[in-house]
Amino acid sequence: NAGVTQTPKFRVLKTGQSMTLLCAQDMNHEYMYWYRQDPGMGLRLIHYSVGEGTTAKGEVPDGYNVSRLKKQNFLLGLESAAPSQTSVYFCASSYGSRPSRETQYFGPGTRLLVL
Amino acid sequence: TQLLEQSPQFLSIQEGENLTVYCNSSSVFSSLQWYRQEPGEGPVLLVTVVTGGEVKKLKRLTFQFGDARKDSSLHITAAQPGDTGLYLCAGGGGGFKTIFGAGTRLFVKA
Repeated sequence: NAGVTQTPKFRVLKTGQSMTLLCAQDMNHEYMYWYRQDPGMGLRLIHYSVGEGTTAKGEVPDGYNVSRLKKQNFLLGLESAAPSQTSVYFCASSYGSRPSRETQYFGPGTRLLVL
Repeated sequence: TQLLEQSPQFLSIQEGENLTVYCNSSSVFSSLQWYRQEPGEGPVLLVTVVTGGEVKKLKRLTFQFGDARKDSSLHITAAQPGDTGLYLCAGGGGGFKTIFGAGTRLFVKA
């Protein structure tokens, strides 16, 4: 099993450009999440999904959109990148019921630099 | 709003030393998790503590949940360079309700 995979691993964008980050999991998890990690601020939840076809906003959703058309995939889109979106992005997944959902499995991250 | 504060933010020690890092909150948590994140990778779960006063051991790592379930500590005995990484505590009910502390970055020098 590959667990949680993310593509791309690294990307440089110019302000105003768009891109999509792809996350895939092969553990049949119901829940999937997108976080951003910035120095001194820990992991902040951007958007999440509790099942195929459903998404919801997290703590810092502005400037991002998501889609979950298939249970195993969760896409994060930046329509018009801004320098403030320079960060490391992590996708994670978990089961939906307690206590299993307390354990999140993370991908290796995508490093995004917006110039 | 629930918050988790971790201390210290950064710790640099020599191989063989002992250390303790802390995770504190003013809120009560039903459980707390500890993750370790190595450079260039995502966080990996180390342990979950669920009962006030609970102590769990993972080789040289000892995790304790406070009696009031508002705080937790991680103690490492005889640290090794392989322990280097970012240690994150998390809590809040799991799933999308999980909140993460900012982490303690540990560097163990050989």
